[in-house]
Amino acid sequence: RKEVEQDPGPFNVPEGATVAFNCTYSNSASQSFFWYRQDCRKEPKLLMSVYSSGNEDGRFTAQLNRASQYISLLIRDSKLSDSATYLCVVRRSNDYKLSFGAGTTVTVRA
Amino acid sequence: DTAVSQTPKYLVTQMGNDKSIKCEQNLGHDTMYWYKQDSKKFLKIMFSYNNKELIINETVPNRFSPKSPDKAHLNLHINSLELGDSAVYFCASSQDFLKPSSTGADTEAFFGQGTRLTVV
Repeated sequence: RKEVEQDPGPFNVPEGATVAFNCTYSNSASQSFFWYRQDCRKEPKLLMSVYSSGNEDGRFTAQLNRASQYISLLIRDSKLSDSATYLCVVRRSNDYKLSFGAGTTVTVRA
Repeated sequence: DTAVSQTPKYLVTQMGNDKSIKCEQNLGHDTMYWYKQDSKKFLKIMFSYNNKELIINETVPNRFSPKSPDKAHLNLHINSLELGDSAVYFCASSQDFLKPSSTGADTEAFFGQGTRLTVV
């Protein structure tokens, strides 16, 4: 079983719609959680960290469910510029290794 | 100024050749990584160095050898290239987030623009 699994999508949504997707992780010792964004043929960039109580950053909301070992990302009022692949990333405690999911592709259409 | 820069951006080479990819970061970070992204877009860690010391060495063929001359540089040398080595290789760096004084900001990994390696 992969350490981090994501629905690859693609999620095709109209502008202004809300889109949400999850990521599951297998190692209960995972300590830190992140969402990264990767545009086509570009490098991944940090979108936001995910905190235990859930957190928002503008139109983006991240949630963590430790009991079920998943994190989620919700994008409200989608913009064309939100089209990208969203990578779920986890890190175990006392470990330098960042483990990436294969990504969820979101395409926002006009 | 580019924070994490790697060269070359594109590399096309024949099977059996030896090649190197260079990476430099000007962020003052202590930790550097090499990741491989295959055709299925899956990013897999290969190596991690902290203050020039090898910390993570995933199951990678011996043909891949990282070298860190100082903590701002982490180069990747590949011997006897094979078709299956074709991928995008990303260098990344982050602050030493295992320090007791580390904050959440220390955990962000900054990536280079990637090196697209094609072995023919």
